[in-house]
Amino acid sequence: NAGVTQTPKFRVLKTGQSMTLLCAQDMNHEYMYWYRQDPGMGLRLIHYSVGEGTTAKGEVPDGYNVSRLKKQNFLLGLESAAPSQTSVYFCASSYSFEQYFGPGTRLTVT
Amino acid sequence: SQQGEEDPQALSIQEGENATMNCSYKTSINNLQWYRQNSGRGLVHLILIRSNEREKHSGRLRVTLDTSKKSSSLLITASRAADTASYFCATAVTGGFKTIFGAGTRLFVKA
Repeated sequence: NAGVTQTPKFRVLKTGQSMTLLCAQDMNHEYMYWYRQDPGMGLRLIHYSVGEGTTAKGEVPDGYNVSRLKKQNFLLGLESAAPSQTSVYFCASSYSFEQYFGPGTRLTVT
Repeated sequence: SQQGEEDPQALSIQEGENATMNCSYKTSINNLQWYRQNSGRGLVHLILIRSNEREKHSGRLRVTLDTSKKSSSLLITASRAADTASYFCATAVTGGFKTIFGAGTRLFVKA
């Protein structure tokens, strides 16, 4: 049982480049989330999904898009990366309020 | 603005001492959760307390909730060096779905 996995673990992008972060969970959870964590600011919700085929905006959605084509996967896309998107990105999943987190992706945009 | 705010921002204690962290929030909640994050890792759920509960225990953890003051505290008794981590409170707002995290308290336990 791998829990929640994230790919890649690290990435460096140049401004304007695009990329997709992949989150996968094997716990059959309905709910999945993408957060970003910046120093001194805790976690901020980017987008979330309440089930396969659904997505919704969180607290800081601008500059990001998401898709949930399969129940076990939740993809986070950056269409045109900006330095302000340098952060650590965490994916999480849940069946209720308790969330299970992945190990994170450290993204640097130069 | 943050829904949950932890206090203190950082705490340093000796092994064996108790550690207390506080969380304040602004709106009506369904429940409040505490998570732990070891350096460079994802968050791990510790405990959930519902809005109609006042106190909850789990091993060396004791959580209290005062909805009239919109505050919660996490007590770790007989701390160990392995408890060194950041601790976050997270609130699930009444009638909503999202959970909002605070900025965290960094705990350092000296051996």
